[in-house]
Amino acid sequence: ETGVTQSPTHLIKTRGQQVTLRCSSQSGHNTVSWYQQALGQGPQFIFQYYREEENGRGNFPPRFSGLQFPNYSSELNVNALELDDSALYLCASSATSGGYNEQFFGPGTRLTVL
Amino acid sequence: AQSVTQPDIHITVSEGASLELRCNYSYGATPYLFWYVQSPGQGLQLLLKYFSGDTLVQGIKGFEAEFKRSQSSFNLRKPSVHWSDAAEYFCAVGPHTGGFKTIFGAGTRLFVKA
Repeated sequence: ETGVTQSPTHLIKTRGQQVTLRCSSQSGHNTVSWYQQALGQGPQFIFQYYREEENGRGNFPPRFSGLQFPNYSSELNVNALELDDSALYLCASSATSGGYNEQFFGPGTRLTVL
Repeated sequence: AQSVTQPDIHITVSEGASLELRCNYSYGATPYLFWYVQSPGQGLQLLLKYFSGDTLVQGIKGFEAEFKRSQSSFNLRKPSVHWSDAAEYFCAVGPHTGGFKTIFGAGTRLFVKA
């Protein structure tokens, strides 16, 4: 059974650029959640995708968007990058949506915005 | 507002000594409660979770946590700490009925001294 994988591992962008981060969910999981973890902070919920539809969103602006594909892998897109977007981006997959489901986290993508 | 507070930013414990990490939450109803551990450069790993029933929950790696409704607390404990336990620990709450958003505390960094 393959765990949650994310790519790339590290990424450096400049302010104003756009970035796409990718996540492959664990086998059998249909739900993916994305989190932003700034240095020294806990993860902040960005949004969740369940069966290819956005299932809920945290307090992030619309320039943070996502997709989920039929194989339940997912992308996080961030437009017009700002310096404060520098963070570790984590994705987590779960068997289905709902707070009771255990989330399995990937190792994250470290994004640096210069 | 929903929130999770971990009062200790960092804690230093001698190897073999006992450990208690504090977590307080604010939530409108009984939440699902989680403790995660994050080692450097890694994603989050679930240590244990509380949904209902027995308020003392056993987890992996010898950890346990106790849910105290009257104190809105879910403290993590371990009777004897090993050097490999040095990591960042996050308490989190998830929605009890429906919903999708998991809220994390800011984390407690555990240092283990020989």
